[in-house]
Amino acid sequence: QLQLQESGPGLVKPSETLSLTCTVSGGSISTNIFYWGWIRQAPGEGLEWIGSIYYDENTYYNPSLKSRVTISLDTSKNQFSLRLSSVTAADTAFYYCASHDSSGYEYFVGWGPGILVTVSS
Amino acid sequence: EIVMMQSPATLSVSPGERATLSCRASQSVSTKLAWYQQKPGQAPRLLIYGASNRATDFPARFRGSGSGTEFTLTISSLQSEDFAVYYCQQYENWPLLTFGGGTKVEIK
Repeated sequence: QLQLQESGPGLVKPSETLSLTCTVSGGSISTNIFYWGWIRQAPGEGLEWIGSIYYDENTYYNPSLKSRVTISLDTSKNQFSLRLSSVTAADTAFYYCASHDSSGYEYFVGWGPGILVTVSS
Repeated sequence: EIVMMQSPATLSVSPGERATLSCRASQSVSTKLAWYQQKPGQAPRLLIYGASNRATDFPARFRGSGSGTEFTLTISSLQSEDFAVYYCQQYENWPLLTFGGGTKVEIK
């Protein structure tokens, strides 16, 4: 069974770059079955899709964050990563990595437990 | 962007009663609609996909219905473990995925 686990710093300074990694176990990120995505949730708020990446490294980003987001794959480590630049307090949130199907089934079937990232000096 | 709107924001229900949650899309999403359940301190879990297909982890008291712009999640007889926040998500407009604001189901 696919398992996902986020890792990275829990505290980032304003204007710096947030960097998180998701380690996937129980399956290969090189599969053409799944996309690998990031979703965030500000404390007490709703869910916001950040973006997704496919095994061929095609990326898809939320237009509201596109100018600051990079998602990449590391197939040697079975990981994918999120970089969000120029962060502000508004980027404080729980960040989840998740998998979703392709070909018209883009709902999130597997989630990591999430990691809280606080933006503060 | 397809905007997803959920109502009510909070639903107070007694155990054993029925809960009816609504999700409305700003334009048609056909049946490309998913529901998630999120408990405090946990990640969301897929509950319903394709508007009415229940994920294997969830019992039959959870039912999704609707198509186009109007969707409903019905929990027929609320159990203690069902009190949570429920989110809808459209995937018709891939590659832009959007969620509703959520409905919190609380104990009355």
